[in-house]
Amino acid sequence: NAGVTQTPKFRILKIGQSMTLQCAQDMNHNYMYWYRQDPGMGLKLIYYSVGAGITDKGEVPNGYNVSRSTTEDFPLRLELAAPSQTSVYFCASSRSFSGGLSYNEQFFGPGTRLTVL
Amino acid sequence: DAKTTQPPSMDCAEGRAANLPCNHSTISGNEYVYWYRQIHSQGPQYIIHGLKNNETNEMASLIITEDRKSSTLILPHATLRDTAVYYCIALNYGQNFVFGPGTRLSVLP
Repeated sequence: NAGVTQTPKFRILKIGQSMTLQCAQDMNHNYMYWYRQDPGMGLKLIYYSVGAGITDKGEVPNGYNVSRSTTEDFPLRLELAAPSQTSVYFCASSRSFSGGLSYNEQFFGPGTRLTVL
Repeated sequence: DAKTTQPPSMDCAEGRAANLPCNHSTISGNEYVYWYRQIHSQGPQYIIHGLKNNETNEMASLIITEDRKSSTLILPHATLRDTAVYYCIALNYGQNFVFGPGTRLSVLP
């Protein structure tokens, strides 16, 4: 299994450009997540999905869009990139969403480092 | 979900036990305590989780106080590869993870 893969690894955007960060998982997980991590900070949840066709906002969704047409893929779209979106973006997946009784390990991808100039 | 507080940084000598504390004084009865770590700039990695009983796996041990207001993650024999940021998270069923700044553990040779 490749686990969670993300492309590209690095990207530089100009202000106002758009791009899509790709995320794929081959573990047949229903739940997928997008986080961003600013330098020296923890991770903040952007969007998540509990299954194909279902997405919901996290803590910091503004400026981003997502779609989930298949179980495997969960792309993150940046429209009109701004310097405030300079960050490292992590995609993650988990078998279930329960934080209690079930084992809810989130598997993370290697990240995409995005700079907006 | 309960807020957690952790020291910003800690040092540990290689081969010794690393004890990382976490305070979650407002934790509710249904909230589990999770520990993840992030090595350098990689994605976070799950370590262990528990509710009220102490837990142990191949990576670490988790000690939760009887009143559940604090916990300690123990790495029994720290190695240089354990240098990372460690996150303590308390959350309930169906909640999303909230990763705070964590504790930066430096294992020194």
